[in-house]
Formats: sequence, C-alpha cells, structure tokens
Amino acid sequence: KNQVEQSPQSLIILEGKNCTLQCNYTVSPFSNLRWYKQDTGRGPVSLTIMTFSENTKSNGRYTATLDADTKQSSLHITASQLSDSASYICVVTSGGGYNKLIFGAGTRLAVHP
Amino acid sequence: DAGVIQSPRHEVTEMGQEVTLRCKPISGHNSLFWYRQTMMRGLELLIYFNNNVPIDDSGMPEDRFSAKMPNASFSTLKIQPSEPRDSAVYFCASSPQGTQYFGPGTRLLVL
Repeated sequence: KNQVEQSPQSLIILEGKNCTLQCNYTVSPFSNLRWYKQDTGRGPVSLTIMTFSENTKSNGRYTATLDADTKQSSLHITASQLSDSASYICVVTSGGGYNKLIFGAGTRLAVHP
Repeated sequence: DAGVIQSPRHEVTEMGQEVTLRCKPISGHNSLFWYRQTMMRGLELLIYFNNNVPIDDSGMPEDRFSAKMPNASFSTLKIQPSEPRDSAVYFCASSPQGTQYFGPGTRLLVL
C-alpha cells in the first residue's frame, strides 16, 4: 500500500534553532517527492521537489534530502524564524500510467521567541 | 499574476443544499487539481484535469460530488446534496508541469 509517514507530528522550537523533519514513504513506482509549507488558513506552498536522482535541494534556509534506497526524506530548517511556524507536508508522486499524489499527514512546527 | 483564484472563500449552508465551488487557475497552466483538507484526513486529492479533460477522479468521494472544467480558465466542484461530513477546506491548484500552485481555499461548513 502506498503510504507517506511524517514525524514528528508536531514540534516546538525556539527562534534561531535548527530542526529536521522526517518523511518515510512506501510508494512505488516513485516519481518525485515534494515538501510543502502550509501557513494557517492558507493553501500549501511548494518548497522543494526532488526526483529519484537528486539527493539534496535547498531553498533558502530550507534544505531537503532524499535517500531513494531507504525511501526517506528530511527537511532541515536552519536558523528558524517565527514565520517558519506552519505545517510541513511531504508529498510523494507515484508515476504509474498517470501520476498519483500520496500525502503525508504533515508536521506542525511552532517557533517560539 | 493574481495566482489561483477561488470563490467563495467561505460558505455556510444547510444539509441537503447544493454547493458550487469555483476556481480560476493561473493562466497558461494546463493541469488543475481539486483537493479537500480536514483535520482528520489531511489533504486528499479529489480529481485532476489535464488540458480541461478529467484524468483521475478516483478521489471523488461519491456521486454527490462532480467537477467540471468547461475551459482552460474555469473549473467548478459541485456537491449535491451536501452533508455535514462534507465540511472541510477545498483547495484548487494549478500546474504548468511539476510544481502545483494552490489557491487560498474555500472553507465549507454544512450544518
């Protein structure tokens, strides 16, 4: 069964600290993996997208990694800011005929001053 | 560009009523997606269109839900009759190829 699991479910950190969010998936065939940031009351915004051959991709203070062998991805946030408080959603696309999107439940991050 | 536009932003209705949600994708994007998001189930893909043609509607919950895309700049998601369990935030997203751009969502409450 195609699944995407994220951990932790929620996380509280202090402003300026780093954090890492995890995403494990069992999706086949694999097409790509995306990380989205969703602020409260808004639609998700794409942070990164990685294909099978890509190991890491950065977007400012956000760095995503992908290990296609172990089927794990992480999103690292450096020097967190209050505006990083949001839900972070891992989405894996399964390319089987036409693409299907499998969503993780998200990690809710709260950055406190 | 104004981004993906959805209307209405909020909708409150009574059980049994018909609800129509509207979406204007970003100009030039050839794929359009309808999602539903709830606390319990997270984000769920309901249906997506490519070049105005429905490609995959396996996420549509049941016959009460229908979606149309009569042209490249407009799509609707209709629920008839609505039920309380349909209460959720409904997102529309469009994509040129790859990254999807989400609209602000329609928050639906069915009483």
